[in-house]
Amino acid sequence: QKEVEQDPGPLSVPEGAIVSLNCTYSNSAFQYFMWYRQYSRKGPELLMYTYSSGNKEDGRFTAQVDKSSKYISLFIRDSQPSDSATYLCAMTTVQTGANNLFFGTGTRLTVIP
Amino acid sequence: DAGVTQSPTHLIKTRGQQVTLRCSPISGHKSVSWYQQVLGQGPQFIFQYYEKEERGRGNFPDRFSARQFPNYSSELNVNALLLGDSALYLCASSLVRDGANVLTFGAGSRLTVL
Repeated sequence: QKEVEQDPGPLSVPEGAIVSLNCTYSNSAFQYFMWYRQYSRKGPELLMYTYSSGNKEDGRFTAQVDKSSKYISLFIRDSQPSDSATYLCAMTTVQTGANNLFFGTGTRLTVIP
Repeated sequence: DAGVTQSPTHLIKTRGQQVTLRCSPISGHKSVSWYQQVLGQGPQFIFQYYEKEERGRGNFPDRFSARQFPNYSSELNVNALLLGDSALYLCASSLVRDGANVLTFGAGSRLTVL
């Protein structure tokens, strides 16, 4: 079993739709949770990061963490064609100086104009 | 400010050859990490260096090695290349933010092994 599971999609939605992206994980020691966006032939770009459980909002993006269920989500409101990309969840334990992020497979999203 | 820069952007090698990939971190970032991303998969951790010392190593064979220089730039070396080493190799530099090591990735070096 992988430590981080993510539905690879692909996911296609019309412009303006609300998008929900999800990951589950098995390691209860994970404390930091991140979402990266990756455009084709580019490196991942950090969108959101959260510590422990709770919600965090940034513009059209909302990240949710439910540690009791080992489940994290990213919501995109009013989706735009420019949001078309692969979205990667990532997580890590609390270890000073350690950068060992565990990534999901990534969900490929297409927003149709 | 320049982001994380990697070179070369693309390269083609044959089985058994050796490759060296280079990375320059964001100015002021002292930690560099390397990740391998196979097509259709998420990045997988290879190495982390901080202040020129190895701080972490993923589940990769000894054919993979890295080092960090006094200016915090880094090199990743892969010997005896296999077809399965074909991937996008990502370098990331980081600062601690709210207790978390937040990674900023470069665009990657795409390696094809024939």
